[in-house]
Amino acid sequence: DSGVTQTPKHLITATGQRVTLRCSPRSGDLSVYWYQQSLDQGLQFLIQYYNGEERAKGNILERFSAQQFPDLHSELNLSSLELGDSALYFCASSVADRVGGYTFGSGTRLTVV
Amino acid sequence: QKEVEQDPGPLSVPEGAIVSLNCTYSNSAFQYFMWYRQYSRKGPELLMYTYSSGNKEDGRFTAQVDKSSKYISLFIRDSQPSDSATYLCAMSVDYQLIWGAGTKLIIKP
Repeated sequence: DSGVTQTPKHLITATGQRVTLRCSPRSGDLSVYWYQQSLDQGLQFLIQYYNGEERAKGNILERFSAQQFPDLHSELNLSSLELGDSALYFCASSVADRVGGYTFGSGTRLTVV
Repeated sequence: QKEVEQDPGPLSVPEGAIVSLNCTYSNSAFQYFMWYRQYSRKGPELLMYTYSSGNKEDGRFTAQVDKSSKYISLFIRDSQPSDSATYLCAMSVDYQLIWGAGTKLIIKP
């Protein structure tokens, strides 16, 4: 157990629907990062939050949004889902001053049918 | 040209062999260099984290950084079937992390 908790582990939904993925960071970590991993794209950075505020944005679609709550857990909202959104979505956390020394959760596997 | 290049493999070697995994990069501003291991359908796990040129050793793993050649390596000694996984390099500058595509490693018993 890495200390980063992601729920749910698996999600199957239909095109056009909206889903919410949840992440609880490791105790003491203030930064949360969301990544998408699909077979043909590798690991793609989506967005980072630090202590409740958006810190950096990567290749995140406008249909996707995220937030980090006062208790530091984070949610990634995916809407108007398309078949191409099927992927593994990972959350990672870190202490703020160590770029790259992330602890990853075990991911949410999203299948859009 | 991608900022970080990594051969996707697969790389297949017999148990006990020394494995060499490599990444090249183009941005000389990269400051921190990492290696992650990812088992199938699991989250990446940090293996090595280095800053300067030179070698860093941790058990059977050695990370090597050559900033003059823009080249990093991960060596695995006495490889085991449990080392079979995808190995991703990552590099950071200005709070941005750039990932390699990952090399799939297969250790044959």
